[in-house]
Amino acid sequence: EVQLVESGGGLVQPGGSLRLSCVASGFTLSSYGMNWVRQAPGKGLEWVSYISSDSSTIYYADSVKGRFTLSRDNAESSLFLQMNSLRAEDTAVYFCARRHTSGWFYFDFWGQGTLVTVSS
Amino acid sequence: QSALTQPPSASGSPGQSVTISCTGTSSDVGGYNYVSWYQQHPGKAPKLMIYEVSKRPSGVPDRFSGSKSGNTASLTVSGLQAEDEADYYCSSYAGSKKVVFGGGTKLTVL
Repeated sequence: EVQLVESGGGLVQPGGSLRLSCVASGFTLSSYGMNWVRQAPGKGLEWVSYISSDSSTIYYADSVKGRFTLSRDNAESSLFLQMNSLRAEDTAVYFCARRHTSGWFYFDFWGQGTLVTVSS
Repeated sequence: QSALTQPPSASGSPGQSVTISCTGTSSDVGGYNYVSWYQQHPGKAPKLMIYEVSKRPSGVPDRFSGSKSGNTASLTVSGLQAEDEADYYCSSYAGSKKVVFGGGTKLTVL
């Protein structure tokens, strides 16, 4: 069974940093590109970032470019999102999501998410 | 404001059909056949229901279908069932290595 488990969320002050993790099981992480998608409380979905299976290709939404860094450790079946210079508008549940074989912009399996709250 | 426009709500009675629209521009929905739809129940993770405009992943009932005309994509749910009540989000590749979502539609089964 495919499983994605996020962790690392919590309360952080504006301007602070946080590192999210996503551990994969039930499939070979090294064979798949992965994404992060976020959802502000009571709001819709927003794509955040994508990383290819071998880390050679990484994309970011304009809203996080220059502040967030996506990386992965295939040996540990893990994905990481380093978030710096956090703002109130970054408050959201962050989901890691596996890309579909037909395109990196389709997300076929999702974790349950981890909540990030940016507030003083 | 979301990049793609969806109606905030839709409803139908059990057994009926309902269609949810998703309007974008020629830079996203209209420019690519890379539209997808996600179902999200309260407190749960989204689930991929449709990709490439009209394809269903394995396990998704054929009551769910997708289509596109110009800058507008649509999700149709036929034979509505109680468990279909959820939020539905459309998504599209938007060029320049970006993905955009709609604001979501809350589907109520009356």
